[in-house]
Amino acid sequence: AQKVTQAQTEISVVEKEDVTLDCVYETRDTTYYLFWYKQPPSGELVFLIRRNSFDEQNEISGRYSWNFQKSTSSFNFTITASQVVDSAVYFCALSEVSNDYKLSFGAGTTVTVRA
Amino acid sequence: DARVTQTPRHKVTEMGQEVTMRCQPILGHNTVFWYRQTMMQGLELLAYFRNRAPLDDSGMPKDRFSAEMPDATLATLKIQPSEPRDSAVYFCASGLVLAGVGTGELFFGEGSRLTVL
Repeated sequence: AQKVTQAQTEISVVEKEDVTLDCVYETRDTTYYLFWYKQPPSGELVFLIRRNSFDEQNEISGRYSWNFQKSTSSFNFTITASQVVDSAVYFCALSEVSNDYKLSFGAGTTVTVRA
Repeated sequence: DARVTQTPRHKVTEMGQEVTMRCQPILGHNTVFWYRQTMMQGLELLAYFRNRAPLDDSGMPKDRFSAEMPDATLATLKIQPSEPRDSAVYFCASGLVLAGVGTGELFFGEGSRLTVL
């Protein structure tokens, strides 16, 4: 069963628009970690954020913000005032204690920001 | 900046040849993962190590793939013999994972893009 679902395969926006990427996860653990990674066209995987299951505070980092809601098992990611450099594939991932902290990745969402 | 280093970045080889990919994890990290990325399967875990001990390699084709960690500064992934279906990007990641504390930040290398003709 898929543990991490990123329902949006592709999103295309015009520069300066906001874009929200959905991530829904599935776990029976009470302790787990959620991650977002960015994969730009150059191919590397860039760490963006890690959240543990006990910290539901939303986080903002510059134009990036994350909304963690345990009630809906979601960890959504918003890019505010998008820029062309935000064009990339974004992956959500889950790390569970019961799975020895291995990362389970979603399928990724391709974001294209047009000038 | 500490980073995970992978070599080679690109490799083109012919079917049947041996391929070895190397990874230098970030100093102090105790867990090393090997992932493979393909268009069809996305990011799949192949194997991982903690404190250099192999914990799970069930994601690897056993007959042709092998993963080792000869010392704390080097992890290797070997394919022998290689096949065209092995063409993919292979990522190494490292992190500090502690029981009772959990998963720290996990950092990925730039990947090794393998093409088997």
